[in-house]
Amino acid sequence: DTGVSQDPRHKITKRGQNVTFRCDPISEHNRLYWYRQTLGQGPEFLTYFQNEAQLEKSRLLSDRFSAERPKGSFSTLEIQRTEQGDSAMYLCASSFTSAAGDTQYFGPGTRLTVL
Amino acid sequence: LAKTTQPISMDSYEGQEVNITCSHNNIATNDYITWYQQFPSQGPRFIIQGYKTKVTNEVASLFIPADRKSSTLSLPRVSLSDTAVYYCLVGSSGGYNKLIFGAGTRLAVHP
Repeated sequence: DTGVSQDPRHKITKRGQNVTFRCDPISEHNRLYWYRQTLGQGPEFLTYFQNEAQLEKSRLLSDRFSAERPKGSFSTLEIQRTEQGDSAMYLCASSFTSAAGDTQYFGPGTRLTVL
Repeated sequence: LAKTTQPISMDSYEGQEVNITCSHNNIATNDYITWYQQFPSQGPRFIIQGYKTKVTNEVASLFIPADRKSSTLSLPRVSLSDTAVYYCLVGSSGGYNKLIFGAGTRLAVHP
């Protein structure tokens, strides 16, 4: 499968714990995005990488959140001191810019439940 | 980024053609239109993308009138497995795009 992959698919944690999610984009894609989706809502943008550079962060990304893409390939999203409000689906998407535009392909998501 | 408006929900029956219309009155000259499909507990799946006139692929057709202020996603002969949420988005053809999703259209296909 050459699509975007995310790991783990599900994570249950206790409030106050740290969690880390991984995203492996489509191999030739230079752009990587993280989104968050809560029940009944559309995904919300969190942050964007072009290669290894993090070029934009949403105000939704509080100081407890950090994302990296160390070699311009896979990316990690860490949440420190989790809160119940962090419970959501975390989605990763990747894209490669072409003349047709920036078409993003999404992974299956990581569902986080904070107890 | 242009805001989009689409119906909250639609119902259809197996074998029918479904047309979901999206309004994007403030679309910019270099914006293109993209539709995604999402099933519960899965990531959005890219369906189709276009800039003007008509685009067709193996899954759907996208109709965009000359003024580009709206677009229509057409799903031919839907089946139960097409029950999902469909999102219409617009984005610039230059630079990156932080996609701004609305609530989407919840399509329910009945037997």
